[in-house]
This record gives sequence, structure tokens and C-alpha cells, in this order.
Amino acid sequence: AQSVTQLDSQVPVFEEAPVELRCNYSSSVSVYLFWYVQYPNQGLQLLLKYLSGSTLVKGINGFEAEFNKSQTSFHLRKPSVHISDTAEYFCAVSLTGKLIFGQGTTLQVKP
Amino acid sequence: NAGVTQTPKFRVLKTGQSMTLLCAQDMNHEYMYWYRQDPGMGLRLIHYSVGEGTTAKGEVPDGYNVSRLKKQNFLLGLESAAPSQTSVYFCASSFLAENTGELFFGEGSRLTVL
Repeated sequence: AQSVTQLDSQVPVFEEAPVELRCNYSSSVSVYLFWYVQYPNQGLQLLLKYLSGSTLVKGINGFEAEFNKSQTSFHLRKPSVHISDTAEYFCAVSLTGKLIFGQGTTLQVKP
Repeated sequence: NAGVTQTPKFRVLKTGQSMTLLCAQDMNHEYMYWYRQDPGMGLRLIHYSVGEGTTAKGEVPDGYNVSRLKKQNFLLGLESAAPSQTSVYFCASSFLAENTGELFFGEGSRLTVL
């Protein structure tokens, strides 16, 4: 069965440091890829998505992600995080017409 | 700018009781979804709808029923609640199918079954 794995359940980082949240998926066919963010006590909102084209995708709030087909990865990066980036981040993959969400990674930004 | 609105936001039930969660969207979206979120498991699709009058099962449909009588509303029902249904429930909608389009989520409904 297809799956999505977010390799870290929690990522603590200091303010203004860079961060990478890792996401791997299992599929040998073309996929669509998404990152969603969930701030405390809120619903999810779309950060960015990859459907086709350039493998480097830019999203809101300074985040970007790179699609790597050979490594079946879609890691999320930000060069300098803020306290306000503290949230849970979900990678999602569309493999058979349905979205499959990863388990989530909690980003904890410390002052 | 209401977007997707869920009611109620919190509910406590006893085992065996029934309840309905209401989701309303004002974006004229065709597609609507109900997910549940449990710690360490991400979001799992319960049921979804591709248009008024249609519904379909998702990944974890057992114990739930849904209805989409009006395009803007998507109801999730629990006929006989069980402790395993303690969760946070999210409704979402999209203009395109979820595999290509952006999903817009409500703020969630936290359900506790005792």
C-alpha cells in the first residue's frame, strides 16, 4: 500500500535558524505532493503544492519544498524560522486519486 | 469570509448516544470531506462527497453516516457513539478534486465519548 512517512515527529529549533521537515512517500508512479500547516486550535491550511513542472516549489510564509523523484522525497525547508512558525506540519500525497496524509511533524521554535 | 464552518466545536457524549456534526461552506465548492485526526496518525478520510446528493466512503467509514442534501452542507452522523470515536473531526471542501486542488478546512470539532 502507498504510504507517506514524516521522519520526525518533533523538530525543536531556535528562532532565526534554518529548518528542514522531511517527508518520504512510497510510489513508483507520478504523484501530486502537498504540505499543510496546522496552527494551534485551527484547521489545516495549504502551504504549497507540487503538481508538475519545476521541482522547487515556493509557498507561503517563506517556505519551500523540493520534489526529488529518485529519492521519493518532498522535504520542506525554511532558511530562517520565526516564533510564529510553531505549528504542526503535514505532508500529503495523492497517489490513487485520494490524499494520504503523513503523521505530522511538530515544529517548536524557541526564542 | 466564513469559509468552512463546523458546529459544534466541542461535544461530550456517552457511549451509545447519537449526534450530528454540521459542516457548512460558502465557497460554492463541489467537493466536501470529513476527516478525523488522532495523535500520531495524521488525518484519515471518513466520507466524502463529489456533489449535492452524492456521498462515498473513505478510509475509515465504519460507525459513521453522512448526507449532502444541499451543496453547501455536509453532515456527519454517529448513530451509536463508541469511545474509539473520541477524536477531532475536520470538515474540508475543495473546488477541484482533493488530489489536485487545495482543501479548505474548518476549525475542527472535538468529540469525547465516555
